[in-house]
Parts: sequence; structure tokens; C-alpha cells
Amino acid sequence: AQSVTQLGSHVSVSEGALVLLRCNYSSSVPPYLFWYVQYPNQGLQLLLKYTTGATLVKGINGFEAEFKKSETSFHLTKPSAHMSDAAEYFCAVSEDDKIIFGKGTRLHILP
Amino acid sequence: ETGVTQSPTHLIKTRGQQVTLRCSSQSGHNTVSWYQQALGQGPQFIFQYYREEENGRGNFPPRFSGLQFPNYSSELNVNALELDDSALYLCASRAGTSDFYTQYFGPGTRLTVL
Repeated sequence: AQSVTQLGSHVSVSEGALVLLRCNYSSSVPPYLFWYVQYPNQGLQLLLKYTTGATLVKGINGFEAEFKKSETSFHLTKPSAHMSDAAEYFCAVSEDDKIIFGKGTRLHILP
Repeated sequence: ETGVTQSPTHLIKTRGQQVTLRCSSQSGHNTVSWYQQALGQGPQFIFQYYREEENGRGNFPPRFSGLQFPNYSSELNVNALELDDSALYLCASRAGTSDFYTQYFGPGTRLTVL
């Protein structure tokens, strides 16, 4: 079975600083990988996804992620954090017809 | 917004009761999945429906059941509610062909069991 590990349940960065949220996956087949964001009291919004092709994937709100097969990683980055980026972020992998989620990383933005 | 809608937004029930949650999928999407998100956790897959048939199920007991209708809307039913069923229930839909693996989520229904 596939799985996802997100390193750090809470990450704090200063406004304007680099955001780096770490995700490692385990998969026996080429994975389809996703990052979702969840704002307080809301559902999940798709930030970006990797299926095939280019390993650097650009998403909404200035986020991007790079698929590194050799490291089994799919880390999420953003060059400059905004206060509005404060939310819960979930890395996920597709297995058959379902999505397996990590436990999430709560991103705090410091003024 | 994804076009996936869920109702109600909040619900309070007592232990032992039954509950029905509803989901309307995004236009053109014929597959609907349900997920349970407990507080502080990532969503967990409950089951999936395709063309009105259940075609995948996670590690949830039979008291969790569902339906999908010809218009691809869906219901999640939970019988004999337990305190641990308190969670955010998310519905997700996806297209049957292109963009096959991408699921689009609704805003969720917050269920509280007392």
C-alpha cells in the first residue's frame, strides 16, 4: 500500500520568507502526487498535482513542487510567504481510485 | 470553488442515531468518493461510487453506507452513530476519463455526535 509522510506537523515562517513543506511518499508504481490546502472550517482545495512529464509543477497562489523519484519526495515551496498562506497543507498520493493523505502540516505565518 | 456542494454544513446528532449526508458532484463528473476527516488528521477514504455502484471501500464498518443517483449526486448514511464518528465528512468528485486521478472536494459537512 502506498503512504505519505509529511515532516513537521507545524511549520512557522516569517512573512516574505521561503516556505518549504516536506513530503515523502512510498509507492511501488509511478505515483500521482497532489498537494491540497485547507483553510479553517473549509474543504480541500487542490494546489497542484504531478501525474507525468515535467517534474517541477507549478500551482496556484505561487506554490510549486518538485517530484524527485530518487528521493521519493514531493516538497512544496513558495518563494515569499503571505499572511493569507496560513492554512493546513496536505500531501497526497493516488492509489487505484482513492487518495491517500498525509497527516497534514499547519503553516503559521509570522508578521 | 470546485462546483461540488454538500449539505448540511453542520449537524449535531446523539449516539445511536442515524444520519444522511448529501453531495452534489461537479458537472460532468460521474465518480464520487467520501472521506472522513477527524480533528487534526488527514482525510480517510470511506468509499467510492461509479455509475450508482460502490467500486471501492476503505476500512470502515458496514454501518457506513452510500448511494449514488442517476444524476451522479450521492448520499452517505451512517447508522448507530458513535462518538468517534464526529468528524468533517468530505465528498469528492472526479471525471471518468480525462484528469482521471484528480479529485475535487466539496466544503464538507461537520458532524458532531454527542
